Amino acid sequence: EVQLVESGGGLVQPGGSLRLSCAASGFTFSTYWMHWVRQGPGEGLVWVSRTNTDGSIRKYADSVKGRFTISRDNAKNTLYLQMSSLRAEDTAVYYCVRADNYRFDYWGQGSLVTVSS
Amino acid sequence: QSAVTQPRSVSGSPGQSVTISCTGTNSDVGGYNYVSWYQQLPGKAPKLMIYDVSKRPSGVPDRFSASKSGNTASLTISGLQAEDEGDYYCCSYAGTYTSYVFGTGTKVTVL
Repeated sequence: EVQLVESGGGLVQPGGSLRLSCAASGFTFSTYWMHWVRQGPGEGLVWVSRTNTDGSIRKYADSVKGRFTISRDNAKNTLYLQMSSLRAEDTAVYYCVRADNYRFDYWGQGSLVTVSS
Repeated sequence: QSAVTQPRSVSGSPGQSVTISCTGTNSDVGGYNYVSWYQQLPGKAPKLMIYDVSKRPSGVPDRFSASKSGNTASLTISGLQAEDEGDYYCCSYAGTYTSYVFGTGTKVTVL
């Protein structure tokens, strides 16, 4: 059974940093592109970032470019999102998502990040 | 990046059909046959319902169907059931730079 379990969310002050982790199991992690998608409170889904199978390709939404870094450790079956210079508008549930070709076929349960003083 | 727009809400009685539109541009919805649809039930993570414009993953009821014409994709739920109530989002691949764009989301209410 495919499982994606996020961790690392919490309350952080504006300008602060946080690192999210996503532990993957039930599939060959190293063969799939992985993404982060977020959802602000009461808002819609927003694509944040993606990385290819070996982590050599990394893409970001304009809203997080230069502040967030996606990475992966295939030996640990884990995806990361390092977030810095956090702003109030980054407050959201962050989902770790597996991509199969151009579809998001498995989603984690989400990790809540709250940016507030 | 322009928003991909969906109606804020649609509703129908049990057994009826509802259709949700997803309007983008020729840089996203109209430019690629990589439109997918996601159902999000209250308090839950999204679930893939349709991919590659009109394909259903195994386990998704055939009451869910979808299509695309030009810059607009559509999701139809036939034989509406109470369990279908939730939020629905379209998503389109938008090229190497922009990557992916989600629609604004539609709340489906079963009357």
